[in-house]
Amino acid sequence: GEDVEQSLFLSVREGDSSVINCTYTDSSSTYLYWYKQEPGAGLQLLTYIFSNMDMKQDQRLTVLLNKKDKHLSLRIADTQTGDSAIYFCAETTYSSASKIIFGSGTRLSIRP
Amino acid sequence: GAVVSQHPSRVICKSGTSVKIECRSLDFQATTMFWYRQFPKKSLMLMATSNEGSKATYEQGVEKDKFLINHASLTLSTLTVTSAHPEDSSFYICSARSIAGGRNEQFFGPGTRLTVL
Repeated sequence: GEDVEQSLFLSVREGDSSVINCTYTDSSSTYLYWYKQEPGAGLQLLTYIFSNMDMKQDQRLTVLLNKKDKHLSLRIADTQTGDSAIYFCAETTYSSASKIIFGSGTRLSIRP
Repeated sequence: GAVVSQHPSRVICKSGTSVKIECRSLDFQATTMFWYRQFPKKSLMLMATSNEGSKATYEQGVEKDKFLINHASLTLSTLTVTSAHPEDSSFYICSARSIAGGRNEQFFGPGTRLTVL
């Protein structure tokens, strides 16, 4: 079946790097996504990676994909207070091409 | 990126009344829109897939007579919560899929918070 798992909370110091981890079960995943949700708001697509890629970097964001272990991570360099939000890992699969399966979200809090 | 709007952003209603939520793609055409429900501190659960000009496809466990979906045009889908009850209180988020330029990407609306008293 399809399942996406994330830890619920992460606290980091301002200026440090944040690493948010995600595991998934469906080996037929096509795209894997990271979304950001600020309080009371909808979802903003931060970045995505195609399943045949290992890494993608976009400014302060680095996505690593270990397809063998079905593990996805998002690294935010130089974490700022504006990065406080809930981060959702998500995937689409060959068996459900239009359906996005979301993880439970990781709440990132920044301490001074 | 493409913009998706939802209206209203917040609604409070009495138990037993019906509430309509609109989802609009503002600068692109969306043949497919999706409706999600998000419980507090939980992930998004897909409720239904709405295709323009045809009936919506509901996920298992979602009552189609309770949550009426209409996708009358390429830029508008509506979700009507009929005979709302307090347990329907939730954050409802829509997304619209753009296939422009060969991409297949969903853009999310800002969400509608429904409170049923």
